[in-house]
Amino acid sequence: AQKVTQAQTEISVVEKEDVTLDCVYETRDTTYYLFWYKQPPSGELVFLIRRNSFDEQNEISGRYSWNFQKSTSSFNFTITASQVVDSAVYFCALSEVGGGSYIPTFGRGTSLIVHP
Amino acid sequence: DGGITQSPKYLFRKEGQNVTLSCEQNLNHDAMYWYRQDPGQGLRLIYYSQIVNDFQKGDIAEGYSVSREKKESFPLTVTSAQKNPTAFYLCASSIAPPGSDGYTFGSGTRLTVV
Repeated sequence: AQKVTQAQTEISVVEKEDVTLDCVYETRDTTYYLFWYKQPPSGELVFLIRRNSFDEQNEISGRYSWNFQKSTSSFNFTITASQVVDSAVYFCALSEVGGGSYIPTFGRGTSLIVHP
Repeated sequence: DGGITQSPKYLFRKEGQNVTLSCEQNLNHDAMYWYRQDPGQGLRLIYYSQIVNDFQKGDIAEGYSVSREKKESFPLTVTSAQKNPTAFYLCASSIAPPGSDGYTFGSGTRLTVV
């Protein structure tokens, strides 16, 4: 069965600090997708990135970067020079391809608080 | 603009009542999902549907029911059998397999038992 662990329940930083959110996953499938979502106080989940299991290239998008390492089953998310607007709950998710269901399993989320 | 609409945003239920949460999408997605979110619990899957007139139970389906009569609509009924329904409910949709923009979520319905 697939499982996603976000060990950090809450992280508190001061603006302009860099912060890394950890995500460790478990799956028996060789083909799967990994995601990060942001949930601001309004409640709606905002899609940030999708990565498939064949592509271990790291990705950078502005202040956001993602480090995917199959060897450690991790898909960590780094925010560089954090801002108050980054304050939110961040979820990592895994979707297995085997069986064709593609049902995403979410971690419990990491609450990021950025202080001015 | 395409997206998912959940209504109502807030819902209050009396003990013993059934209530229905609406979820409509105009993204032409085949798959739709319902999740429940409790503080510190993350998102837990209630039901999902990959095609019209077919749906499957998720991890916490007891006390809930769904229907998928139209591709665009996937309503969730919280029945009186659900003993602790107070939670935030999120509906999502996607193509299968999920595309480069992942799963699209609605803005949620916050249900409170009074």
